[in-house]
Amino acid sequence: EVQLLESGGGLVQPGGSLRLSCAASGFTFSGYAMSWVRQAPGKGLEWVSVLSGSGGSTYYADSVKGRFTISRDNSKNTLYLQMNSLRAEDTAVYYCAKVTQMTTITDYFDYWGQGTLVTVSS
Amino acid sequence: DIQMTQSPSTLSASVGDRVTITCRASQSISSWLAWYQQKPGRAPKVLIYKASSLESGVPSRFSGSGSGTEFTLSISSLQPDDSATYYCQQYNSYSRTFGQGTKVEIK
Repeated sequence: EVQLLESGGGLVQPGGSLRLSCAASGFTFSGYAMSWVRQAPGKGLEWVSVLSGSGGSTYYADSVKGRFTISRDNSKNTLYLQMNSLRAEDTAVYYCAKVTQMTTITDYFDYWGQGTLVTVSS
Repeated sequence: DIQMTQSPSTLSASVGDRVTITCRASQSISSWLAWYQQKPGRAPKVLIYKASSLESGVPSRFSGSGSGTEFTLSISSLQPDDSATYYCQQYNSYSRTFGQGTKVEIK
């Protein structure tokens, strides 16, 4: 059974940093691209970033480019999101999501974690 | 970036009604479109992929159609469990975008 478990969320001051983790199980982690998607309170879904299975290709939404870094440790079956220079508008539930097909970075998401809440406030 | 526009934003219908949600892309995305269902406090769940393919385990009352820039999600006979927010998402490029969502309420 595929499971994705996010952690690392919490309250952080504007300008601060936070690192989210997503522990994966139930599939060959290194074979699949992984993504982060966020949802501000009461708002819709916003794609944040995607990373290929090998870690060699990364893409970001313009809203986070230069501030967030996606990475993975395939030996630990874990995806990360390093968030720097956080702003109030980054407040959201952050979900990690698995891309459906192996060897592609542009497919849809078939599994999602339960999400972790990041609150940016002084 | 490709913009996705859903309509309506909210709809209210009775159990047994046929419901249709529309999603428009700002440029052609071929059939690279998915539909997700999200209930409060829960992660999204995929219903439809490649515009019209039903994800395994999803009830057959859900269906999708369209290609290019115009897409629809239909629920043939609305059930109480279908009360949720529905999102379309294009995956034509690595920079995926979602529609703003359609909240479906049961009368």
